[in-house]
Formats: sequence, structure tokens, C-alpha cells
Amino acid sequence: DQQVKQNSPSLSVQEGRISILNCDYTNSMFDYFLWYKKYPAEGPTFLISISSIKDKNEDGRFTVFLNKSAKHLSLHIVPSQPGDSAVYFCAASLSGTYKYIFGTGTRLKVLA
Amino acid sequence: GAGVSQSPRYKVAKRGQDVALRCDPISGHVSLFWYQQALGQGPEFLTYFQNEAQLDKSGLPSDRFFAERPEGSVSTLKIQRTQQEDSAVYLCASSPRTLALNEKLFFGSGTQLSVL
Repeated sequence: DQQVKQNSPSLSVQEGRISILNCDYTNSMFDYFLWYKKYPAEGPTFLISISSIKDKNEDGRFTVFLNKSAKHLSLHIVPSQPGDSAVYFCAASLSGTYKYIFGTGTRLKVLA
Repeated sequence: GAGVSQSPRYKVAKRGQDVALRCDPISGHVSLFWYQQALGQGPEFLTYFQNEAQLDKSGLPSDRFFAERPEGSVSTLKIQRTQQEDSAVYLCASSPRTLALNEKLFFGSGTQLSVL
């Protein structure tokens, strides 16, 4: 029973274009969401987060959008760069709990 | 240290062997987590420590799995009588405060366990 789903296992984008990675969740009580990036043979590194009281958070080239009614969040990367090629995980949590629930990841490949 | 350190980086075990995986969190970090990541999957929660107290072990898959953090810093994840289904990357993560404050996690590079 996957509470956080990333339905696209992979995505290829041309350098300079926008990358859009999607994530759906089932538990409407989740109130904090994060995106992590993972390079091969390394641990995930934090990228950007958003609280459920917001619908958008921006940090440089990265923007996360949250649509609570649709239980959907997305990560936009503009412009995409070859160094962005990695696996991206979304994660969700409930305030006051200890667990982040991770999706299965989307492998992004940015083509030069 | 500069980041979360895990050792060994790779571990090959024969089925039935006991293994111990070590995690050195970032100095001073209160919270420590263990996650299990199977091939092609996202990390799955195993257990959570706040200082030396293990507050949640609901993700440990069986009583063969045991974790400790006796002095509130270094943690060890022990797997007894390993089985092939235990093969995965075991990730340790730490955060400065308690997760109730919606802290981001700092992950180590993981230990890749292969059980033959």
C-alpha cells in the first residue's frame, strides 16, 4: 500500500528545458513534503520542501507546487542542467511523527 | 564530522550470518534514523532514535533486526541470521532536532548488504 507514489520511473529532458517531476499521495493528513536528489553510490540529499499551508515554494531553479485537493505535488527545474541528472524522491510526513514516507523515485536524465 | 558516515560501504554475508552496520551521525544531531532501500524502491523507515532513546521501531521487519544508540551518537543496526530478502542498501540519516519540527534529514551513503 504505497502512500506516496511517483508513477514515472524515468524522464528525459533536453538541457535548458523545464523538468517536471510528479508525486501523488493518498493520506490527506500529510502536512510536510520534501524532495530529495540521489546520485549513484551516494545517499539522498535534501533539495526543497513545502508545508501544507503553502502551495508553492521556490529556491533558485527549483520550485515545488502543492495541490492539496488533488493530493499532488510537483517539482519544476528550470532550466535543466546535465548535473541535475539523478534519481528524485518525494517524501511526506505528518507533524509530530518520526517517519518520512518516500516514493519510489523518478530517474531524471538531462541531455546535453 | 562533515557528514553522516556509514561503514562498511559494502557487506557480503552468507545466509544465516549475523551482520552489524555502523552509523556515525553529524556531531550533535539529536535524531537518527535507519532506512532500508531495496533495489528500485524508495527508502523505507526502519527505526528512529531521539538521542539514546529508540522512540519508534515499527519499521523493523522482524525480530532479527535490532538497533541501538547507547550514548546518543553512534548507532549500530544488527541483523541476525541474515536472509536473502535482507539484501538492500541500509541508509542512516540524522537531523539536528526532533522530527516534530519538520527537519530535513541528512543521509549517509549507505551500506549495501548482499546476502548470498
